[in-house]
Amino acid sequence: IAGITQAPTSQILAAGRRMTLRCTQDMRHNAMYWYRQDLGLGLRLIHYSNTAGTTGKGEVPDGYSVSRANTDDFPLTLASAVPSQTSVYFCASSERIGNSPLHFGNGTRLTVT
Amino acid sequence: GESVGLHLPTLSVQEGDNSIINCAYSNSASDYFIWYKQESGKGPQFIIDIRSNMDKRQGQRVTVLLNKTVKHLSLQIAATQPGDSAVYFCAENIGENSGTYKYIFGTGTRLKVLA
Repeated sequence: IAGITQAPTSQILAAGRRMTLRCTQDMRHNAMYWYRQDLGLGLRLIHYSNTAGTTGKGEVPDGYSVSRANTDDFPLTLASAVPSQTSVYFCASSERIGNSPLHFGNGTRLTVT
Repeated sequence: GESVGLHLPTLSVQEGDNSIINCAYSNSASDYFIWYKQESGKGPQFIIDIRSNMDKRQGQRVTVLLNKTVKHLSLQIAATQPGDSAVYFCAENIGENSGTYKYIFGTGTRLKVLA
């Protein structure tokens, strides 16, 4: 079934550790995004990519980095995790940037202790 | 409507009745809107979208209405079913030609379908 695959589904991570959240899409979408979802807040954009080879910062990029080596993969790395990064992380893709529906994965629930 | 603080507004509807979920969007320059459904433990699922040059769009059992004058969006679900129970939220995007990544998401309304 076409869509977005995220891994891991959930993770408990000690503060200070490095972690990469994986995201793969098979829809050949140009644009990809990473969001975090916290209780009481709407989805907030961390980083995005218009197309393979390019990335940009969203609303809350501090403490996170991304890469887009190819069309399908868009990993999100936490270089040194902190408790405030405890959240549910969603990867999404769209055919193009802007005015195109986002398709989401099922998320990674991350707890930083 | 949109939530304030940690508690989502809840709409309870009898099975078989119609549901109307509302969203007030923030930016008069927004020209593209999406409704999402999110079930517990899952990612948001696209339901329907509408561009600002329309005021109504229909899908299967769902209708989206857009009132640009008061910056209001609504989602109507006909003959609500137990499987419709979820959190629903709207998203707005600014600028067809701006190339902006920026989608603004609401915090959502919880729909509970009563048997």
